Amino acid sequence: AQSVTQPDIHITVSEGASLELRCNYSYGATPYLFWYVQSPGQGLQLLLKYFSGDTLVQGIKGFEAEFKRSQSSFNLRKPSVHWSDAAEYFCAVGNTGGFKTIFGAGTRLFVKA
Amino acid sequence: GAGVSQSPSNKVTEKGKDVELRCDPISGHTALYWYRQRLGQGLEFLIYFQGNSAPDKSGLPSDRFSAERTGESVSTLTIQRTQQEDSAVYLCASSEDGGSRETQYFGPGTRLLVL
Repeated sequence: AQSVTQPDIHITVSEGASLELRCNYSYGATPYLFWYVQSPGQGLQLLLKYFSGDTLVQGIKGFEAEFKRSQSSFNLRKPSVHWSDAAEYFCAVGNTGGFKTIFGAGTRLFVKA
Repeated sequence: GAGVSQSPSNKVTEKGKDVELRCDPISGHTALYWYRQRLGQGLEFLIYFQGNSAPDKSGLPSDRFSAERTGESVSTLTIQRTQQEDSAVYLCASSEDGGSRETQYFGPGTRLLVL
């Protein structure tokens, strides 16, 4: 069965510092991979997604993620964090040919001045 | 255009009462999902509607939970005889055609508190 693990429950970074949020998945083939962000009081919003091709994908708000098949990972990165990036981030895996998307437990990002 | 909307935003109810949560998906989206998000946890899949096909109810936690969808429009999630463990945020999402590669567009959620 497919699964998604986000090892960090919460992370604190200083404004302007770089960020990496970890995501590991378990799936038999190359899955569809997503990162969503949930800002306080709002619904989830797609940051970026990967289906195939170039393993480095660019998203909105300056985020990028890299698919590494050998590590079953899809880590999210941002070179310089802004205070407005404080939110909860969810990694998700979609099974190819199906409809279900499995979400990780989320990583809450705190940004300090 | 308008996004996914959900009502009510917040609902406080007493244990044993029934509640009904509403979701209005993006117009034209054939697929609709309901998820439950308990405090500090990820999204738990509840039910999936796709067009006129029979819904996938495999995520519903008990027979107290049910959902309906009118055509490709509004959906309601009903929880009967609510229990305290039902307290959570209930999220609705819609997508254009429901494949797992489709982007899901989420509503703001209904925060349910069962006393």
